[in-house]
Order: sequence, then C-alpha cells, then structure tokens
Amino acid sequence: TQLLEQSPQFLSIQEGENLTVYCNSSSVFSSLQWYRQEPGEGPVLLVTVVTGGEVKKLKRLTFQFGDARKDSSLHITAAQTGDTGLYLCALHTDKLIFGTGTRLQVFP
Amino acid sequence: KAGVTQTPRYLIKTRGQQVTLSCSPISGHRSVSWYQQTPGQGLQFLFEYFSETQRNKGNFPGRFSGRQFSNSRSEMNVSTLELGDSALYLCASTWDNNFNYGYTFGSGTRLTVV
Repeated sequence: TQLLEQSPQFLSIQEGENLTVYCNSSSVFSSLQWYRQEPGEGPVLLVTVVTGGEVKKLKRLTFQFGDARKDSSLHITAAQTGDTGLYLCALHTDKLIFGTGTRLQVFP
Repeated sequence: KAGVTQTPRYLIKTRGQQVTLSCSPISGHRSVSWYQQTPGQGLQFLFEYFSETQRNKGNFPGRFSGRQFSNSRSEMNVSTLELGDSALYLCASTWDNNFNYGYTFGSGTRLTVV
C-alpha cells in the first residue's frame, strides 16, 4: 500500500508569514493532486501536477512536483486567515489515496 | 453548475441501527466515490460506483455497502452501527475515474453514533 506522508502535521502562523508543506512517498507516482478542506466542508481541488520538476502557481500558492516524482511541496507566500484549513495531497491508483494532511491555522 | 449534494448534513444514530446516506453528483458525472474521514485515520476510500456498477472497494467490513442509480445518484448504507462508525462521510464525483479530471466533493454527512 502506497503511503503519502505529509509534514508538518500542524502549522500555526501569523498573517503575512510564508510557509511550506511537504508530501512524500516511498514510491514513484505518476501525478499528484493538492486539496484544501475547510471545517465542515469537503476537500476542494487546488491543482494537479503531472510532470517531474513541474511548478504551478495559483495566486500566492506555489506547487512543486519533485524531479524524482516521489515528493511534492506547497508553498504559501504571505499567508492570510482565509488560507486556514487542512491541506491534503492525493494520488490516484484506481482510487484517490490521501496523505496524512497538514492542518494550517493562520492568525490575524 | 450545481455541486455535489449530500444529505443529510448531520445524523445521530444509536448503536445497532442502520443508516442510509445520499449523494447527488454533478450533472454528467458518472463516477461517484465514497470516503470516510476520522481524526485518527484521515480520509479513507470506501467504494466507487460507475454506471450503476461497483468498480472498486476499500478495506471496510461488509456492513458498509452502496449502490448507484441510473441517474448517477448514489447511496451508501451502514448496518449494525458501531461507535467507531462516527465520522464525516464524503462523496466525490467525477466524469470518469480519471485522475486528471479532478474530483468534486460534497460537504459531507456528519454521522454520530451514540
């Protein structure tokens, strides 16, 4: 069973700070998705990365897919309170397999 | 376009009872998947239906079952509820079981078993 480990597990920061969360696997994966889940809601797809070394930007969010296709990172610049939530990476075999999650709290 | 609709949003049941949850996918989406989310185990895959057929199943006991109707709406059923079944149950729909299309999730049904 392929496992996706995310780090850190929890992150608590002030508005305006930068942060990076990581998603790692012991196996190579063909593509990966990042989701954000707010309390009481389902996960919302942020991005899909498919090519080793790929970098995608979504406003203040930068997603990177490792060259070896075994890891990915999400960098948030100048965090805002609206970024608060659970960040999940996921890969697809014949189903979605989610990572362990990073819970981000951004304080004003 | 309307999103994925799950009903009910909240449910409280007693141990030993059974429960049925409903999921209406985005119009045109033929694949519906169900997930269980708990603080300890995170998001775990239950099963996936495509065109009324179960295509894939996770590692859950037979008390968990589901079905899909011709209009792609799906239901999941849990029989003989246990305290450990308390969780947020999420369904997700996609046009086909293709990663690159992305999955759209509903807001979930919060089930509490007492």
